[in-house]
Amino acid sequence: DAGVIQSPRHEVTEMGQEVTLRCKPISGHNSLFWYRQTMMRGLELLIYFNNNVPIDDSGMPEDRFSAKMPNASFSTLKIQPSEPRDSAVYFCASSLGLAGVSEQYFGPGTRLTVT
Amino acid sequence: GENVEQHPSTLSVQEGDSAVIKCTYSDSASNYFPWYKQELGKGPQLIIDIRSNVGEKKDQRIAVTLNKTAKHFSLHITETQPEDSAVYFCAHGDAGKSTFGDGTTLTVKP
Repeated sequence: DAGVIQSPRHEVTEMGQEVTLRCKPISGHNSLFWYRQTMMRGLELLIYFNNNVPIDDSGMPEDRFSAKMPNASFSTLKIQPSEPRDSAVYFCASSLGLAGVSEQYFGPGTRLTVT
Repeated sequence: GENVEQHPSTLSVQEGDSAVIKCTYSDSASNYFPWYKQELGKGPQLIIDIRSNVGEKKDQRIAVTLNKTAKHFSLHITETQPEDSAVYFCAHGDAGKSTFGDGTTLTVKP
């Protein structure tokens, strides 16, 4: 099993540009999570899906952020327009069942730098 | 609320000593308590977890204890080794999602 796959691993972009992060969860997992990690705020849950349906997006910082899960094997997190304060490591994770009661498997992360 | 407080934020021990990290939570509905280890440049990885119907669980040098009445749980690492150096996160969850602590940076000095 390849684990959770994220792309790109590193992204450097200029303020105002659109950024799209991609995630392929582990096959058979039915929950998918997007997290943001910074030194100041730690590991923050942005949004999670269960069976491809967004369940809780209360962690999405503002309307510039959007996430989709068109099918069970693919999800995107989009930032438009990007700002320097969006610089962080973004993790995707998946789990078999609900994360409140089962292990989450994290991808390697995407390090985003907005200049 | 769903907050979890994790202490200490940094911990330095000598190789072979024990390390203890503690977390306190407020949501009495929580019944799943995982611990994750994050190495530099990688995503967090589960090292041990415990459910509310169990007070203690051990896996080789790692153990977790849970006091549901007091709403706190702890990670114990014995006979620490340099490769144990990492950031450790506690979390607690109920149903759909888990809430993570702020992390503890553990340094094991050889």
